[in-house]
Amino acid sequence: GDSVTQMEGPVTLSEEAFLTINCTYTATGYPSLFWYVQYPGEGLQLLLKATKADDKGSNKGFEATYRKETTSFHLEKGSVQVSDSAVYFCARGNNFNKFYFGSGTKLNVKP
Amino acid sequence: EPEVTQTPSHQVTQMGQEVILRCVPISNHLYFYWYRQILGQKVEFLVSFYNNEISEKSEIFDDQFSVERPDGSNFTLKIRSTKLEDSAMYFCASELYGYTFGSGTRLTVV
Repeated sequence: GDSVTQMEGPVTLSEEAFLTINCTYTATGYPSLFWYVQYPGEGLQLLLKATKADDKGSNKGFEATYRKETTSFHLEKGSVQVSDSAVYFCARGNNFNKFYFGSGTKLNVKP
Repeated sequence: EPEVTQTPSHQVTQMGQEVILRCVPISNHLYFYWYRQILGQKVEFLVSFYNNEISEKSEIFDDQFSVERPDGSNFTLKIRSTKLEDSAMYFCASELYGYTFGSGTRLTVV
C-alpha cells in the first residue's frame, strides 16, 4: 500500500556538519512529496516540496530532489545550525487527498 | 500569509468527557482535514471533509468521533467520550491548491 519510510533518529550532528535524512515512498500514481519540520512544542511547518519527478524543492538551505527511479526524496543540508534542531517529517500526498507521513526523524545539532 | 487557526492550543479533559476541538480554515479553501499525532509517533490521517460531508475517514475515526462545519467558517472535531489513548496532538488542515496545517491542539485525557 501507500506509505512513507524515513530513517530513524535521533540524528546528532555538530554545527556546520552535512545533513542527510533519507526518505522513500511507495505510491500508486505520481504523488507530490513534502518535508515538514516540527520544532519543540509547535505544529507542522512546510519546509519544502516537489510536485513531479526530478523537481528539486529548496528552502532555508535545505534541499530534496524527487527521484522517481529510486522512489526517494532525501533531505539534505550542507551546513546545519543549532537552530535546525527539530523533528523532520517526510510526507506524500495528492491534491484533495490525505497525506501519508513518515515516522519523523529527530535532529539534534550541537554547538 | 493566511493561516489555519486552532483553538485551544492545549486542552485537558477527564476520561469519558466530550471535547470539541476547533479550527478556522483559510477562508477560500474547500477541503478540510483532521490529523492526529500521538506523542513521539507519526502523524496519522483521521478524516477529510468536502462539500459539507465526510469524503474519507480512517479506521481511527470511529463512532466516538464526528466533524462539523457549523457556520461556514469553523471546522470542528468532536470526541464524544474521551479515552486515555485519545491523548495526542490534533492538527487541522485546509486545502485549495496546497495544504496548510494549523499549529495543533494538544489534548490530554486524564
